[in-house]
Amino acid sequence: DAKTTQPNSMESNEEEPVHLPCNHSTISGTDYIHWYRQLPSQGPEYVIHGLTSNVNNRMASLAIAEDRKSSTLILHRATLRDAAVYYCILRDGGSQGNLIFGKGTKLSVKP
Amino acid sequence: DTEVTQTPKHLVMGMTNKKSLKCEQHMGHRAMYWYKQKAKKPPELMFVYSYEKLSINESVPSRFSPECPNSSLLNLHLHALQPEDSALYLCASSQVSRYSNQPQHFGDGTRLSIL
Repeated sequence: DAKTTQPNSMESNEEEPVHLPCNHSTISGTDYIHWYRQLPSQGPEYVIHGLTSNVNNRMASLAIAEDRKSSTLILHRATLRDAAVYYCILRDGGSQGNLIFGKGTKLSVKP
Repeated sequence: DTEVTQTPKHLVMGMTNKKSLKCEQHMGHRAMYWYKQKAKKPPELMFVYSYEKLSINESVPSRFSPECPNSSLLNLHLHALQPEDSALYLCASSQVSRYSNQPQHFGDGTRLSIL
């Protein structure tokens, strides 16, 4: 699985939007971009995934660059409950493509 | 609340003990996974089961022995563990798909301490 690069940490204010970046310059054409998050004392939680087009769900939006070498996870209004480690993961679409976690971004949310 | 249930939540054992970690899901998923997570590190894949058969073993020492007795259950048998095996052990499940677009659902883990 190709590698991703994320900032170690980010800070946000409550009720403001948060943009979490991820670089994946060696992405292949069949790699899906997945985002998971892990809240303190919990297992990872699926957030969103996409291949080429931008994606929206009830938790977040995923904006994928046209060349697919980077993506951004967007939380539209951060809450205290969104404080977590966010992992950007590439999964090979040509196979079962297991999750290979990188270091992730630790998001802090200030009230 | 998670749909993947892991028991026990905490386990303390000596290096000569034998214990088992259990994982259960009732979502009809046919792929199940074990991960190991050390403190302040990301999860690392240990084993993958697909249709109750072991499909991936990421070079895990034999003191960890996985078992998938049916499509809803996944066990991890532990024997003669070392202090460095102390970690959070996470179970996950997903639908089987050839396209890697199926999310994995994680339990909250078993926190294991080896004395």
